[in-house]
Amino acid sequence: EAQLVESGGGLVQPGGSLRLSCTASGFTLSAFWVTWVRQAPGKGLEWVANINEDGSLKSSVDSVEGRFTISRDNAKNSVYLEVNSLRVADRAIYYCARDLNVRDANTYYDAFDLWGPGTVVTVSS
Amino acid sequence: AIQMTQSPSSLSASVGDRVIITCRASQDITNDLAWYQQKPGKAPNLLIYAASSLQSGVPSRFSGSGSGTDFTLTISALQPEDFASYYCLQDFNYPRTFGQGTKVEIK
Repeated sequence: EAQLVESGGGLVQPGGSLRLSCTASGFTLSAFWVTWVRQAPGKGLEWVANINEDGSLKSSVDSVEGRFTISRDNAKNSVYLEVNSLRVADRAIYYCARDLNVRDANTYYDAFDLWGPGTVVTVSS
Repeated sequence: AIQMTQSPSSLSASVGDRVIITCRASQDITNDLAWYQQKPGKAPNLLIYAASSLQSGVPSRFSGSGSGTDFTLTISALQPEDFASYYCLQDFNYPRTFGQGTKVEIK
């Protein structure tokens, strides 16, 4: 069965750092784009960052630019989100998702078909 | 960044009702839109991509339509398991942006 599992969350003080991991089982993660999405307590979903199959293309939301870094190790079937200079506003459940990146003629569509259960990041002094 | 505005923010409906949720983009996004369902304490679940393509395994009572700036998610006959929150997501450009969500509650 194909699965994604996030890990690495925890309680950290403002300004602190964590390394979140997203590890796949039951399929080869290197064949897919991967996206990180977060959800603050009681709030909606926020797209955070994504990375392509070989790690050569990355994008992220402005609010994390320069603080968060997405990367991958295809030999370990894993994608990472290095989160630095954490702020209280970064407190959230962080989900990773597999992107089918569906092709139709000359267009590609995001389609996050498989998600992990999430890892909780708490930023508090 | 493209702003996605969903309406309503919440609604109450009964089993068997037809439910329509709308999503408006702040600029033309052609058909680069997906819909996700999220139940409390769970990760989101993909329903629709490319505005109207039904994801494999999703019941046919779910449908999506629209292009440009205005999109709809329709549930033709609400089932007990459909009470959840629903989010649209544009993938026209970066950063991707979600709508604020629509919570569908039991009447």
